[in-house]
Amino acid sequence: EIVLTQSPATLSLSPGERATLSCRASQSVSSYLAWYQQKPGQAPRLLIYDASTRATGIPARFSGSGSGTDFTLTISSLEPEDFAVYYCQQRTNWPLTFGGGSKVEIK
Amino acid sequence: EVQLLESGGGLVQPGGSLRLSCAASGFSFSSYAMSWVRQAPGRGLEWVSVISGNGGIRYYADSVKGRFTISRDNSENLFYLQMNSLRAEDTAVYFCARFGRSDWTSFDYWGQGTLVAVSS
Repeated sequence: EIVLTQSPATLSLSPGERATLSCRASQSVSSYLAWYQQKPGQAPRLLIYDASTRATGIPARFSGSGSGTDFTLTISSLEPEDFAVYYCQQRTNWPLTFGGGSKVEIK
Repeated sequence: EVQLLESGGGLVQPGGSLRLSCAASGFSFSSYAMSWVRQAPGRGLEWVSVISGNGGIRYYADSVKGRFTISRDNSENLFYLQMNSLRAEDTAVYFCARFGRSDWTSFDYWGQGTLVAVSS
């Protein structure tokens, strides 16, 4: 099973600041890495797939990078609606796995 | 508009059974692999099971293998999760989700979830 480790667990930032979230895989997942945003009481929303491709309707302030075992989700300038939990996910191998999540909270 | 709507959750005793349903609309259902993902209270996301568009391929997480069965009815745009021998650790919100592409690598649409609580 491929383990995805996300860091930091919590990031405290102010609106307008840049957020940088990390996801590290226990073995290579090539570029088959996705990022999701989840707000309390809601389903996850796909942000990024194939490590760097924005999903339909996702604002340009969200960007993804990386390949192999190290990936980054960057939010260039935080909007109030971006404070949420973010998960990475791989499906290079079965079982499909998610990272433990990174919470972006208002400072 | 793509919509996924789960139903069937509730309170069940340990060892009991429950069947979840997910009603799909707004897309060609039989063309897409579908999956169940769960989230225990206050915890992260855990993939549970997947079924291919024609139902011929099914995979399960080790934590549910032998107890849960995924199935689908393409004529009714429904898919299911039959959960048997339920345990306290199966308590979670269960989401149905669609794999957005033929390589089954990411979920582009999710339902709002249905809560399953296993307790005596």
